[in-house]
Amino acid sequence: AQSVTQLGSHVSVSEGALVLLRCNYSSSVPPYLFWYVQYPNQGLQLLLKYTSAATLVKGINGFEAEFKKSETSFHLTKPSAHMSDAAEYFCAVASYNQGGKLIFGQGTELSVKP
Amino acid sequence: NAGVTQTPKFQVLKTGQSMTLQCAQDMNHEYMSWYRQDPGMGLRLIHYSVGAGITDQGEVPNGYNVSRSTTEDFPLRLLSAAPSQTSVYFCASSYSIHNSPLHFGNGTRLTVT
Repeated sequence: AQSVTQLGSHVSVSEGALVLLRCNYSSSVPPYLFWYVQYPNQGLQLLLKYTSAATLVKGINGFEAEFKKSETSFHLTKPSAHMSDAAEYFCAVASYNQGGKLIFGQGTELSVKP
Repeated sequence: NAGVTQTPKFQVLKTGQSMTLQCAQDMNHEYMSWYRQDPGMGLRLIHYSVGAGITDQGEVPNGYNVSRSTTEDFPLRLLSAAPSQTSVYFCASSYSIHNSPLHFGNGTRLTVT
């Protein structure tokens, strides 16, 4: 069965520093991969998605993620953190052989210090 | 644009009570789903539907029922609430089940005492 592991339940960075949120997946077939963001008391919003067109995917708010098949990873990065980036981030995977259902990781809470 | 609308926002139940969480979307999406969110566990899929009249189980279906009589609505029923069902519930929809992004409602926070 497919699964997603996010390393680190809480990441703290200073404003202006690099943001790196880690995601590793398990899937026996090429997956669809997503990153979602959740602000307090809200539902999730799509940041970006990978669907095999390009390994480096650019999303909203300056975030991007790189698909590395050899490492089964899909880490999320942003060159310079902003206070407004503080939120919880979820990596998710879907694949055809699991009916396309989206399976989420445990989430990583990002804090941004001034 | 309403998007995905969930009601109620908050609910407190006693053990053994039943209730229905409502979910409606106005985007003509075929795929709808229910997730529960618990600290440290991310979102877990409860039930999903790929179209009116079609539903299927997700990762954690026990204690929950769903139906999909129309494209727009996908209610989640708790038949006999238990404290283990205390959680935040999210309804989500998308154009299709595969690589389409999910659109989420704002959630229902349920407490079972």
